[in-house]
Amino acid sequence: DAGVTQSPTHLIKTRGQQVTLRCSPKSGHDTVSWYQQALGQGPQFIFQYYEEEERQRGNFPDRFSGHQFPNYSSELNVNALLLGDSALYLCASSLVGRTDSSQYFGAGTRLSVL
Amino acid sequence: QQQVKQSPQSLIVQKGGISIINCAYENTAFDYFPWYQQFPGKGPALLIAIRPDVSEKKEGRFTISFNKSAKQFSLHIMDSQPGDSATYFCAASKTSGGATNKLIFGTGTLLAVQP
Repeated sequence: DAGVTQSPTHLIKTRGQQVTLRCSPKSGHDTVSWYQQALGQGPQFIFQYYEEEERQRGNFPDRFSGHQFPNYSSELNVNALLLGDSALYLCASSLVGRTDSSQYFGAGTRLSVL
Repeated sequence: QQQVKQSPQSLIVQKGGISIINCAYENTAFDYFPWYQQFPGKGPALLIAIRPDVSEKKEGRFTISFNKSAKQFSLHIMDSQPGDSATYFCAASKTSGGATNKLIFGTGTLLAVQP
């Protein structure tokens, strides 16, 4: 049973560039949430996708956008990168309407903005 | 009201001892409280979770104690092992429509278990 997979593992970009991160949810899951984890901090919620729509959003600017595909996989896009966007980006998947609606995380994508 | 406060920031425990990490929340609408374990370079792994209708939940060496009136919950790791050395995060969420909404994380506790 495949867990949550994220790609790429590491990424280096320069200020002003755009980046796309990808996530495949755990088998059988239909909901994807994205989090940003700065070094030494707890993850911060970016947004959640369900049925290909943004279901909930955290306090992140519009530079952060996402998409969910019919196969439940998801992308996180960040435009006009800033140095402060350097972080570990985590994807978590879950299943709506079940007793266990826990979120399970992938290993993350480490983004460095130079 | 969205904060989850976690303590201590770091913890050193001898092998075989009990590790205790505490969290407090403010939003009484939260109804789901998980604990995650994170090793360096890895994503958080779900350890154990509890809902407010029970005061304690145990899975193996890990126990969550929940005090609804005090709005506090804690993780106890019994018989701590060097392999338990990691960062532990508490979190809280409000579920709706059968889904777990955004997780609000604590600031993390770096646990070191000395052999």
